[in-house]
Amino acid sequence: AQSVTQLGSHVSVSEGALVLLRCNYSSSVPPYLFWYVQYPNQGLQLLLKYTSAATLVKGINGFEAEFKKSETSFHLTKPSAHMSDAAEYFCAVMDSSYKLIFGSGTRLLVRP
Amino acid sequence: DTAVSQTPKYLVTQMGNDKSIKCEQNLGHDTMYWYKQDSKKFLKIMFSYNNKELIINETVPNRFSPKSPDKAHLNLHINSLELGDSAVYFCASSQWQGANTGELFFGEGSRLTVL
Repeated sequence: AQSVTQLGSHVSVSEGALVLLRCNYSSSVPPYLFWYVQYPNQGLQLLLKYTSAATLVKGINGFEAEFKKSETSFHLTKPSAHMSDAAEYFCAVMDSSYKLIFGSGTRLLVRP
Repeated sequence: DTAVSQTPKYLVTQMGNDKSIKCEQNLGHDTMYWYKQDSKKFLKIMFSYNNKELIINETVPNRFSPKSPDKAHLNLHINSLELGDSAVYFCASSQWQGANTGELFFGEGSRLTVL
């Protein structure tokens, strides 16, 4: 069964610093992987997705993620954090019945 | 014009009551979902409907009954509410799963508090 694990329930960075949010997946088949963002009191919205094309995926708001099969990872990065990036971030994998299985989320805090 | 809209946004009720949450999407999608997000932010799928037909029914108590009058609407009715039902319930929609790229469009959530 497919699953994702997000390391770190909270990540705190200074404004302008690198953002790195970690996600490892478990899948017996080539996975479809996703990052979603949830701003306070809002629903989730798609940041980016990997569907077996290019391993480096660019998303909205300057975020990108790299699929590394050897490490079973799909970490999310952004070179320079902005205050508006403060939110909850969810990694997800699509299972064989097309359901999205979400990780437990990582709260990103951005310090001024 | 909100793509996926849920009502009500907040719901406070007593144990044992029955309540409903409504969801509508204007994206022309065929598939709609209900997700439950608990107090630890863990998000779990409950149900999925495609074109009014139930296609995913996770291990959810039968006190929860979804209803889809048409493909643009998916409502959630909960009988005999319990304290553990307190959560944020998200409605979402997507294209039909056969063409599903995994992009779900979420509503803003309905926060249910059971006292």
